[in-house]
Amino acid sequence: ELKVEQNPLFLSMQEGKNYTIYCNYSTTSDRLYWYRQDPGKSLESLFVLLSNGAVKQEGRLMASLDTKARLSTLHITAAVHDLSATYFCAVGTMNRDDKIIFGKGTRLHILP
Amino acid sequence: DTAVSQTPKYLVTQMGNDKSIKCEQNLGHDTMYWYKQDSKKFLKIMFSYNNKELIINETVPNRFSPKSPDKAHLNLHINSLELGDSAVYFCASSLSGTGLYEQYFGPGTRLTVT
Repeated sequence: ELKVEQNPLFLSMQEGKNYTIYCNYSTTSDRLYWYRQDPGKSLESLFVLLSNGAVKQEGRLMASLDTKARLSTLHITAAVHDLSATYFCAVGTMNRDDKIIFGKGTRLHILP
Repeated sequence: DTAVSQTPKYLVTQMGNDKSIKCEQNLGHDTMYWYKQDSKKFLKIMFSYNNKELIINETVPNRFSPKSPDKAHLNLHINSLELGDSAVYFCASSLSGTGLYEQYFGPGTRLTVT
């Protein structure tokens, strides 16, 4: 059974600092997603990673995927307050049933 | 022109009642999902439909019954509501066959059972 673990679950950091959120998963998968959720809001898709070594960047966020290590990272560069949110990684099963399993989320709080 | 919409946005009801949540997507997707997000923000899939056919049916009490009248709509009916059903319910949709399976989420329905 596919399990997805994120760490840390809570992160408080200063503006201008860099940090990385980690997402480990337990069984083989060929697709990994990062979502952002603001308080009281829906989930917004940030990145879709489909192959080993895939790297995608959008502004101060960069996501990468290592399928051999079953690890994805979400790197935040020079954090700004607007990036405060909960970030979820989600991993697709290999059953081709469109099912994705979410991690517990990382609540990111960026102090001005 | 909202992509995935849900109604109602908020639902407050008493234990034992029956309620429904509706979801519609105008993205031309063929797969739709229901997720439950609990108070700890943990997201768990409940059901998915592909072209009106039930594909995913997780371990959910049979008080929960999804219905998909067409591929643009997926409704969730809940019978005999319990306190533990209080949560935010998200609908999502995706397009199969692309290999991406990227899911787009609705705004959520916050259900409070008193």
